Amino acid sequence: LAKTTQPISMDSYEGQEVNITCSHNNIATNDYITWYQQFPSQGPRFIIQGYKTKVTNEVASLFIPADRKSSTLSLPRVSLSDTAVYYCLVGGGSGSARQLTFGSGTQLTVLP
Amino acid sequence: NAGVTQTPKFQVLKTGQSMTLQCAQDMNHNSMYWYRQDPGMGLRLIYYSASEGTTDKGEVPNGYNVSRLNKREFSLRLESAAPSQTSVYFCASTDGGNQPQHFGDGTRLSIL
Repeated sequence: LAKTTQPISMDSYEGQEVNITCSHNNIATNDYITWYQQFPSQGPRFIIQGYKTKVTNEVASLFIPADRKSSTLSLPRVSLSDTAVYYCLVGGGSGSARQLTFGSGTQLTVLP
Repeated sequence: NAGVTQTPKFQVLKTGQSMTLQCAQDMNHNSMYWYRQDPGMGLRLIYYSASEGTTDKGEVPNGYNVSRLNKREFSLRLESAAPSQTSVYFCASTDGGNQPQHFGDGTRLSIL
């Protein structure tokens, strides 16, 4: 299994850019990297997904270096409502859900 | 548009009691998953169903059984509940492969 490692917590201020890195040294060739956001008492919600290089959507960017052993979620100009736990998930490419591995999550706290 | 619906939202059991957690999705997804979430440990896969009629073990299947009743519904059963199974249980669905998962809002289960 592709074990993932993330920082346990991060603090930021409103309006700043936040970068959260996930380490996944054993990522398989066909695995994708997916990031989710989770608020208290809710299920995780999809943010962004990528395989290599850079992916950008309306809420975040995902940077994946050439060796794919890590990935960085970038949240531009965070607000108080971005306070949540962020998970990276590696897997899916092998076709077996058994290979899906969530990180332990990063608690992001945005301060005023 | 309900997405993934889990019932019940909360449940308290005594050790040794049995319980079935229900999950239904209305997105016509092929694959469904059951996770448990414990403090500091992220989400761990219990069982999954890649398609209707198939089920397979995930990372932590011991003490659980599942049934993929039809394409919409995937239930999780605890035959003899133990305090170690106190957790928040999430159901998710996806079209499979590397497609992002859609999660329900969880069932909070306490076993005394």
